[in-house]
Order: sequence, then C-alpha cells, then structure tokens
Amino acid sequence: QSVLTQPPSASGTPGQRVTISCSGSSSNIGSDAVNWYQQFPGMAPKLLIYNDNQRPSGVPDRFSGSKSGTSASLAISGLQSEDEADYYCATWDDSLDGWVFGGGTKLTVL
Amino acid sequence: EVQLVESGGELVQAGGSLRLSCEASGFIITSFWMHWVRQAPGKGLVWVSRINSDGSSTTYADSVKGRFTISRDNAKNTLYLQMNSLRAEDAAVYYCARSRYYGWGNYGFDVWGQGTMITVSS
Repeated sequence: QSVLTQPPSASGTPGQRVTISCSGSSSNIGSDAVNWYQQFPGMAPKLLIYNDNQRPSGVPDRFSGSKSGTSASLAISGLQSEDEADYYCATWDDSLDGWVFGGGTKLTVL
Repeated sequence: EVQLVESGGELVQAGGSLRLSCEASGFIITSFWMHWVRQAPGKGLVWVSRINSDGSSTTYADSVKGRFTISRDNAKNTLYLQMNSLRAEDAAVYYCARSRYYGWGNYGFDVWGQGTMITVSS
C-alpha cells in the first residue's frame, strides 16, 4: 500500500479535462513539494510537473498541477489520445526520511 | 546528450547478490544527488535509495536497509547498487535517476535511465 493515495484509474474523451488526485499527510504533501511523472508502458517515467505546479521545458501547458493542504492534483485539459499513460505523484516524506510515490493512475482516453 | 544507462540486471537465486551499474553521460554525477527507483511487474514506482552529490550521505527505504548499498565511482561517472540477500519481492525493473534542485529545498527526478530487470528465483 502506497503512502500517497491515487485513484487506480481515470478516463476521459478527447478534448475533455481530467484531474487525478493524490492524497497524503502532513509529513509528505503537507510539508514538501509534489512532483508528477508520466509513464508509458515499457518506458521510463518522465518528469511532468515539479514544485507542485511547474512544468519542465517541453511539457505542454495542457498539463497543470496544484496543491492544497495534504492533497495535490494533476489536471490535463484538451485531452489527447497520446496522453494515455500511467501518472504518479511523488514527494519527500519527513517521517519516513525517503521519497514516496503514489500507487499510480492509469489514464484511458476513450 | 544527457543520459543514464543501467546494466547488471539478471536472474538470481533468492539469497544471492547482484550489483547494478548506472553510467551517466552528458553530465557529471558529482553535481547531483542520484537515486535508485524500482518497479515490480505491473506495479507502481518505489523509491529505493539515494546518495548525495559528494557521496558522503546515503539513505535507504526500510525494505532494503541493511541489504542494499548505493555508491558511486566519480572517475567512471557511474552509480552502483549492491544488492545482497535478495528476496522474491526485490524482483523489479530498477531505474537510476538524477535529482535536480528546483529551489525552496525541492527536488525532482529529471533524468531517468531505461531500467534493468532483476528476476529472483526461489
């Protein structure tokens, strides 16, 4: 069981806006920045969002992140078929003295 | 081109040992904290270990503490993970990753290797 809780699946149709939640606690999301990673089958993860809401160079502005208290969210607007992937939230946990990931959310574009 | 290439993954018996390597190119590993992250088949990402930029500090997940050792060879620009007393639950794809500092005490894993697979037979 992961320290950060994500829904196992999410879906949407092309053009829609979908959000993926990530719930934690005061020792992780509540005190440290959240990063989001995108992973396609058989591929390495890719950094999608850092510092809660910042996009690395090259990441489309359709992807956005937010955080409130001990929860974070990833939003994808204008959903495209190529967005179909697994998405993971991650942050540092002060109590565990280590990085923690969410269990991952499989996004399906219908 | 900034790149990480892992190697060393193979089939190993439970109780055995294995050393993974992660060769960096396009950047100097002494400028970054480096990590190992694993992913069991069909499962999510799990952080394993990290080493600081000068190699003086290491941290481990509880599940591998006392069995795994992270290290680096600066001359070879290579990161290692020595894995001892391997268990069935250690079977996974192991990724090495670079963490980049993004300010305000925050980091992100901005470069990942392609991963190397460990299979543990009982």
